[in-house]
Amino acid sequence: QKEVEQDPGPLSVPEGAIVSLNCTYSNSAFQYFMWYRQYSRKGPELLMYTYSSGNKEDGRFTAQVDKSSKYISLFIRDSQPSDSATYLCAISLSARQLTFGSGTQLTVLP
Amino acid sequence: GAGVSQTPSNKVTEKGKYVELRCDPISGHTALYWYRQSLGQGPEFLIYFQGTGAADDSGLPNDRFFAVRPEGSVSTLKIQRTERGDSAVYLCASSSTGGAHTEAFFGQGTRLTVV
Repeated sequence: QKEVEQDPGPLSVPEGAIVSLNCTYSNSAFQYFMWYRQYSRKGPELLMYTYSSGNKEDGRFTAQVDKSSKYISLFIRDSQPSDSATYLCAISLSARQLTFGSGTQLTVLP
Repeated sequence: GAGVSQTPSNKVTEKGKYVELRCDPISGHTALYWYRQSLGQGPEFLIYFQGTGAADDSGLPNDRFFAVRPEGSVSTLKIQRTERGDSAVYLCASSSTGGAHTEAFFGQGTRLTVV
């Protein structure tokens, strides 16, 4: 069993839709949770970072962590074509060594 | 430059050859990381430097892989006797301190193809 499981998609939604991306993890010791966005042939860029259960909001993005279920989510409201990318969850014990999910490829259709 | 710079952007090499991949971190960043990303997968941790020293090299797959950061800035990832399975995008990242709440900034990666 992988430490972090992420549905690879691909996921295709119309512009304006709410997108829900999810990961599950196996090690309850993980305490840092991140979401990265990666455009084609680019390096990942950090979108959201949290180290506790609950919700964190930043503009159109909301990150949700449920440590009891070992489940993390990223919600994108009012999705735009520019949101089309691969979204990677990343989890860490110390924030120094990240364990990434396999990524979900998202396409937002105009 | 403003971001993490990796050279070359693409490298094609023959099986069995030696390759070096270079990473220029953001100026002043003390923490530097190498990751490897295979097609359709997320990045996989290789090694973490704090200053000149390798603080965690637990992700290096075998002794063919080695990385250095002699002056605490530029880092080189070295792969000996390359194998076709080494083909991947090698990503470098840096952060200001490597502490728990500091963001790691990734470069665009070096795409290595072993033929």
